[in-house]
Amino acid sequence: QTVVTQEPSFSVSPGGTVTLTCGLSSGSVSTSYYPSWYQQTPGQAPRTLIYSTNTRSSGVPDRFSGSILGNKAALTITGAQADDESDYYCVLYMGGGILVFGGGTKLTVL
Amino acid sequence: QVQLQESGPGLVKPSETLSLTCTVSGGSISSYYWSWIRQPAGKGLEWIGRIYTSGSTNYNPSLKSRVTMSVDTSKNQFSLKLSSVTAADTAVYYCARVGYYVSSGYSYFDCWGQGTLVTVSS
Repeated sequence: QTVVTQEPSFSVSPGGTVTLTCGLSSGSVSTSYYPSWYQQTPGQAPRTLIYSTNTRSSGVPDRFSGSILGNKAALTITGAQADDESDYYCVLYMGGGILVFGGGTKLTVL
Repeated sequence: QVQLQESGPGLVKPSETLSLTCTVSGGSISSYYWSWIRQPAGKGLEWIGRIYTSGSTNYNPSLKSRVTMSVDTSKNQFSLKLSSVTAADTAVYYCARVGYYVSSGYSYFDCWGQGTLVTVSS
């Protein structure tokens, strides 16, 4: 069974840039997996950030961007702010109607 | 603006069936896929499955044998049943709309409910 992999944790300084990745235990992520990204703070429902690799959801600031870097999907946060400290999840579309979440990355801003 | 609200028992006994309903307001349930997602305390999100308004379904292979989803378009609701529950099914359960984008079809979640905690315990 293919597993979607994310860094368990990451830290970034305020104002800095960080890139979180989303990979596969076997194989490469391409745009055909239509990667999407979600932000979740404790006790809250997830918020949709990015879909179809690099399309920002309504109201999401442009310091959040999505891309494919090498063999992984990537979420880049430019000019990190304190309220970006959250858990970030990617989702890949596996075909056949199946969607799979990555394990999530806990981002610390300090 | 579409809003989703989960409802159902907060406590289910082991071996019984968990039943939840998601009510969609502010828009029609038609012509979308609708999903259930869960999150055990302190852990990540897990996709359970999705249902189209025609009743067509796709389920997480790891849960497929225990999951049934249904939709009631007249009530703008869709539902989840998870059978033979154990403590491992204790989680916050979210309902979500599967968004459509022209270049990627129905492949992401664009609206979320607030979530409801379901505890499996005797």
